[in-house]
Amino acid sequence: AQSVSQHNHHVILSEAASLELGCNYSYGGTVNLFWYVQYPGQHLQLLLKYFSGDPLVKGIKGFEAEFIKSKFSFNLRKPSVQWSDTAEYFCAVNAINGGSYIPTFGRGTSLIVHP
Amino acid sequence: KAGVTQTPRYLIKTRGQQVTLSCSPISGHRSVSWYQQTPGQGLQFLFEYFSETQRNKGNFPGRFSGRQFSNSRSEMNVSTLELGDSALYLCASSLGQRGNEKLFFGSGTQLSVL
Repeated sequence: AQSVSQHNHHVILSEAASLELGCNYSYGGTVNLFWYVQYPGQHLQLLLKYFSGDPLVKGIKGFEAEFIKSKFSFNLRKPSVQWSDTAEYFCAVNAINGGSYIPTFGRGTSLIVHP
Repeated sequence: KAGVTQTPRYLIKTRGQQVTLSCSPISGHRSVSWYQQTPGQGLQFLFEYFSETQRNKGNFPGRFSGRQFSNSRSEMNVSTLELGDSALYLCASSLGQRGNEKLFFGSGTQLSVL
């Protein structure tokens, strides 16, 4: 069965610091990759996704992620975080198998940004 | 457009009972998927429905079941509740079922089993 690992469970940064959240998955076939974010008191919402093409994808609010197939990784980055980026971040992988897929989420990374 | 609506928002049940949760997707969305979220396990996929058919299923026991109606609304049922079923149950909808669409999540139903 496929799995998704988010290595950092809790990250604390000061504003303007750079952010990189790790995400690795275990599945050798075709995948669609996502990062979702949950701001305090809000629904989960999509930050960005990758399913084909340029492995460097840009999402909302200045976030980007790079798909490195050889490393089975899809790390999330932001060059300069803001206090409003405080949230829970989830990496998700859809392992494509024929016409079906199984979504697998990582356990999440809690990011706290100090003003 | 209204978002994904889940009812009820909170539920308290006792062991052995059964429960039904409801999810109304965004208008026009035909795919509805369900997830269990707990602090220890994170988000785990339960199942996904598309056009009233269960197309994908996660690794949960048969006590967890669901269905989808012709208007795309979906219900999830858990029978013979166990303490470990206490969790936030999230529903998400999307336009299709190709696996690369954006999911729109509801606020969830917080289920407590006593």
